[in-house]
Amino acid sequence: NAGVTQTPKFQVLKTGQSMTLQCAQDMNHNSMYWYRQDPGMGLRLIYYSASEGTTDKGEVPNGYNVSRLNKREFSLRLESAAPSQTSVYFCASSVSTGNEQFFGPGTRLTVL
Amino acid sequence: AQSVSQHNHHVILSEAASLELGCNYSYGGTVNLFWYVQYPGQHLQLLLKYFSGDPLVKGIKGFEAEFIKSKFSFNLRKPSVQWSDTAEYFCAGRSGNTGKLIFGQGTTLQVKP
Repeated sequence: NAGVTQTPKFQVLKTGQSMTLQCAQDMNHNSMYWYRQDPGMGLRLIYYSASEGTTDKGEVPNGYNVSRLNKREFSLRLESAAPSQTSVYFCASSVSTGNEQFFGPGTRLTVL
Repeated sequence: AQSVSQHNHHVILSEAASLELGCNYSYGGTVNLFWYVQYPGQHLQLLLKYFSGDPLVKGIKGFEAEFIKSKFSFNLRKPSVQWSDTAEYFCAGRSGNTGKLIFGQGTTLQVKP
């Protein structure tokens, strides 16, 4: 039982490049989330998916897109990376939106 | 706007000292409150949570928190810290059953042996 897994662990991009961050959970959770963590700002919600087939914007959605591929997987895409998107990205999941969230190990992204 | 704020950004304690980390939230209605911990190089783990009922909540590793509705606070406490408690601590809250967790800025705790 791996919990929440994320790939890659580290990534360096040039401004304007695109990439997709992958997240998968094996806990049969319905809800999944993407956060970014920046020093002194805690974690901020980018997008979430309350259940398979639905996605909603969080606090800081600009510059990102998401896909809930199936119940297990929730990906985050940066279409044209900017230096302001340099951050640590965490994926999380929960049984439903009313329950506690379990976090993955994070992806450290640097945009040059 | 809904917000969660943590008063202390960096706390340094000696082993066996008592700990209290402040957390305040700014929204009303039904609230769910959480404390998460992030040990160096690891992902966030849940320490404890408050949904309803007894306002004094006990979590893992000897931590507890008290929900005081009149003060909009949910402070984290531990009577005697250990070197292994060195970590970053995040308070988080949400209104009702929405999935939108709002996190505080985080508090870095350094425990000196």
